[in-house]
This record gives sequence, C-alpha cells and structure tokens, in this order.
Amino acid sequence: EPEVTQTPSHQVTQMGQEVILRCVPISNHLYFYWYRQILGQKVEFLVSFYNNEISEKSEIFDDQFSVERPDGSNFTLKIRSTKLEDSAMYFCASTVGQGKGQPQHFGDGTRLSIL
Amino acid sequence: DAKTTQPPSMDCAEGRAANLPCNHSTISGNEYVYWYRQIHSQGPQYIIHGLKNNETNEMASLIITEDRKSSTLILPHATLRDTAVYYCIVRVTGANSKLTFGKGITLSVRP
Repeated sequence: EPEVTQTPSHQVTQMGQEVILRCVPISNHLYFYWYRQILGQKVEFLVSFYNNEISEKSEIFDDQFSVERPDGSNFTLKIRSTKLEDSAMYFCASTVGQGKGQPQHFGDGTRLSIL
Repeated sequence: DAKTTQPPSMDCAEGRAANLPCNHSTISGNEYVYWYRQIHSQGPQYIIHGLKNNETNEMASLIITEDRKSSTLILPHATLRDTAVYYCIVRVTGANSKLTFGKGITLSVRP
C-alpha cells in the first residue's frame, strides 16, 4: 500500500540553525499538509499546500517557516532560524482531494530536537 | 469545524469488541466524521470516515446516528496492537481543509 515517507526520522539541530524536513507524499495525491506535535500535546495543523501555493496556514506558521515542492515528488518544510520551542514531531500528510471527503494519510514523522 | 467530545480513556479485553463513542452534536450537513489513531508517537493512522451512512472496512466499523450528532467506532476483535489514542474528527468536505485534533480517547487492550 502506498505511503507517505518522511526523512530524516530524527534531526538534532543547534538553536538558530536552519533545518529542512523532507516528505514524499503518495504519488497521485494533490494536497499536502504539515502538522506538528509537541511532546505530550495535541497534533496541530501548520500549513496546507495545493497547486504550488499555500492554501491555509495556522498562527504557528510564521515567517520562520516555509514550504516548497521543489520537484514532482518532494514536499519540504523549512525552519529558517530554529528556536527551542520548535522541538516537536513534524508530520507530513497528503490526500487525493477529490470528492467523498478523501482522507489525509500521514507519514511517521520527523522528530526535531533543538539544542 | 464542529467540535467533538470523547471520553479520555477506556479499556477492553483482547478478542472482544471495542466500542469507542464520540459526540459531535454541532455537526453540519457538509461535515464528515473521521477516525484516526496514533500509536506511541507514530503518525496518525487513518481508520475510517463517513458522512451519514454506516461504514465498514477491514479495520473497523463506523456507526453514525440518524441525527448525526454522535458516532461509534467499533473494532470487532481488539488485539494488544490496537492499544492507541483514537481521534474522532469532524471536517468539512473541502479537499483542502485541515484536520483539527483533540485529545482523543486512549484505548487500552488488556490480555
């Protein structure tokens, strides 16, 4: 069964450094998402992306965050200057997006640890 | 999106059916009910979704009341591997719309 894949599984970065989290969505999917989950807290929406544009973003997704689909397969989340509070699990999700409430499918996440 | 209410936890015996309730009394006509689960810190796993009718797949059944104000996820023969946090989420039908996760219900399957 096709799945969303995320790399790396664990990323350790010094505060203030840039980090790029990578995702390969399911191949025929058209809508892409990033969520994050701080340890012990709820899964929170960050951003949705369709047709090479951001469709919606949350308050968390400030100027330090950006997303990109650099080619036909990858979807990336960049944090420009990381803060301690960016430490979390980051999940990528994708959906076909056509009719009947097509569900989002999630990757297993990248654990980001900021030192 | 409409808010959902789930009990914080429940348990069931291995091999028995697990019935997980969810209240979504403010659901509107264009909102689907989705169920996901999360095992440890893995990514949320899609289980099932429905609009009005009851649904069944290889993982579970979803029973939605006629007034659509509540639903029940049924795992017919729970195993230890079904121990997880289960999220009931209501979402509008727009393809781009986000999922809003609550705290979910922690299901513990005991041997």
